[in-house]
Amino acid sequence: ETGVTQTPRHLVMGMTNKKSLKCEQHLGHNAMYWYKQSAKKPLELMFVYSLEERVENNSVPSRFSPECPNSSHLFLHLHTLQPEDSALYLCASSQDLQAYNEQFFGPGTRLTVL
Amino acid sequence: AQKVTQAQTEISVVEKEDVTLDCVYETRDTTYYLFWYKQPPSGELVFLIRRNSFDEQNEISGRYSWNFQKSTSSFNFTITASQVVDSAVYFCALRRLDSNYQLIWGAGTKLIIKP
Repeated sequence: ETGVTQTPRHLVMGMTNKKSLKCEQHLGHNAMYWYKQSAKKPLELMFVYSLEERVENNSVPSRFSPECPNSSHLFLHLHTLQPEDSALYLCASSQDLQAYNEQFFGPGTRLTVL
Repeated sequence: AQKVTQAQTEISVVEKEDVTLDCVYETRDTTYYLFWYKQPPSGELVFLIRRNSFDEQNEISGRYSWNFQKSTSSFNFTITASQVVDSAVYFCALRRLDSNYQLIWGAGTKLIIKP
């Protein structure tokens, strides 16, 4: 595997389900990010991790719970979601948090909440 | 306030035409970084270029070129001799030096290249 991978690629869940999104980066990076991409809206940064420590939580509802067990893996645990949470969830990584570092993105998980 | 505007929601051209995607940004900072990303239908955002605020040299990479003009706060992207594989949504983004990790994204321009 190369770059940033995400699983699953598609997920349909009911509002009472619990599911998790997984992201893995094979780039040796120290920073990882979760973004939400909804139709007609700019990308929204949700969470930022640096060396497995959360450094940003962008006013995200508690029904989204991130976990970063090591610098290569990032999870997003989902619980009691709402239909408006349906979106493309993108994971990204960068060398570190320096502003000049580009972010490398995974292909995303297309989430549908029924 | 920091803001990135991509006024062109959608552009459609015929293959081999040249096309320019506009990006206008707002910031009071003197040091910042600008980025372009491509998002093909597969969903993955692909990094294209980074430019820092002190480097106004235009850049060319194959059929792609970028024109950075601080005087007009613009960072436009031109594809020469477009190809069907260039069809994607293109995003321009701004990051401040001490930006609390935020990239400020434009809304994106959907580019359709017709054969």
